[in-house]
Amino acid sequence: NAGVTQTPKFRILKIGQSMTLQCTQDMNHNYMYWYRQDPGMGLKLIYYSVGAGITDKGEVPNGYNVSRSTTEDFPLRLELAAPSQTSVYFCASSTRTGGSGANVLTFGAGSRLTVL
Amino acid sequence: AQKITQTQPGMFVQEKEAVTLDCTYDTSDPSYGLFWYKQPSSGEMIFLIYQGSYDQQNATEGRYSLNFQKARKSANLVISASQLGDSAMYFCAMRETGGSQGNLIFGKGTKLSVKP
Repeated sequence: NAGVTQTPKFRILKIGQSMTLQCTQDMNHNYMYWYRQDPGMGLKLIYYSVGAGITDKGEVPNGYNVSRSTTEDFPLRLELAAPSQTSVYFCASSTRTGGSGANVLTFGAGSRLTVL
Repeated sequence: AQKITQTQPGMFVQEKEAVTLDCTYDTSDPSYGLFWYKQPSSGEMIFLIYQGSYDQQNATEGRYSLNFQKARKSANLVISASQLGDSAMYFCAMRETGGSQGNLIFGKGTKLSVKP
């Protein structure tokens, strides 16, 4: 069972370039999330999706876009990369949510992005 | 606004001893969930333990237990019989009950180092 798979694991971009971080899950989870983790900080939500065709912004969405055409895939697009987007990016998924339910987020291994 | 505070940037513990990692939270919602994740140096996020706001007993999972004090809004992680492999970053997180549909809000983490 692969869980949540992210690609690439590492990437170096030049300022102004664009790229897509891929995320795929095979657990039939409806909810998917993209977080970024800066050094010495916790994770901050970029975008999330509650199902195919439905996405919404999180805490730090500027400079990013997402799409959710299938249940399995939730790619994150970086347009016009900036040094401030240097970070580690995590994709996560979960089943139903709501209230205080123990719907554990399953994380991918992370993607380390450097913008120079 | 919901918030997670971890006041210990780093902790040291002797192998085989117990250690407590502190976490306080702030929310006005009576229904919430609290989580602890471990992030080893390899970078992945590993779920450890969950506590629901209405749970009558403190959660336990093997060597991990959660000291949940609702009135004090604290959810400390206790690791018993520390092992060298416990050396990692530990993040406390709370499930947001509104807004981002199941998103977790993370603290800044505590770096635990286990000494042989």
